Amino acid sequence: EVQLVESGGGLVKPGGSLRLSCAASGFTFSSYSMNWVRQAPGKGLEWVSSISSSSSYIYYADSVKGRFTISRDNAKNSLYLQMNSLRAEDTAVYYCARDRVFGVVIKAYYFDYWGQGTLVTVSS
Amino acid sequence: SSELTQDPAVSVALGQTVRITCQGDSLRSYYASWYQQKPGQAPVLVIYGKNNRPSGIPDRFSGSSSGNTASLTITGAQAEDEADYYCNSRDSSGNHLRVFGGGTKLTVL
Repeated sequence: EVQLVESGGGLVKPGGSLRLSCAASGFTFSSYSMNWVRQAPGKGLEWVSSISSSSSYIYYADSVKGRFTISRDNAKNSLYLQMNSLRAEDTAVYYCARDRVFGVVIKAYYFDYWGQGTLVTVSS
Repeated sequence: SSELTQDPAVSVALGQTVRITCQGDSLRSYYASWYQQKPGQAPVLVIYGKNNRPSGIPDRFSGSSSGNTASLTITGAQAEDEADYYCNSRDSSGNHLRVFGGGTKLTVL
């Protein structure tokens, strides 16, 4: 059974830092790209960042570029998100999600498994 | 363009059919995926690709696409289908970004 378990959330002051982790099990972690997606309280989903299976390709949403760093340790089956210079608008539940691609001519990129999320609150 | 547009709210009578739409330029290049999210829970993938359902998703859920519009159809809506639904696609600008629609709150009457 595929499982993704996030941890590391909590209360942090504006300008502070936090490191989120996502522990993966039930699949060959090193074969899949992974993502972080967040959801502010009462708001919609926002894609944050993605990392390829070997960490060769990394992408960020404009809203976090330069402040957040995604990384992974395939030996530990773990995904990370280092969040620096945190702002109040970064307050959200952060989900890790497994990445898939489907199709040949027209592709579908989708997230087939999600963790339960970890809450990050940025407040003084 | 990096935007996907959804109607904020849709309602359907129990047992009837409802269509939830998602519009955006990226949908001319990539298929949408659809996610169901119930209060306090993580999103769940319900449709991906042209019209593919993951294992465990009822066949009353179906997807379609035309031009810049993707649709999620629930045929014979059930009370348990009341949830928020989000579409997602890869951005077509070449930046390898992903974009979500704003979400549609489905109410089953």
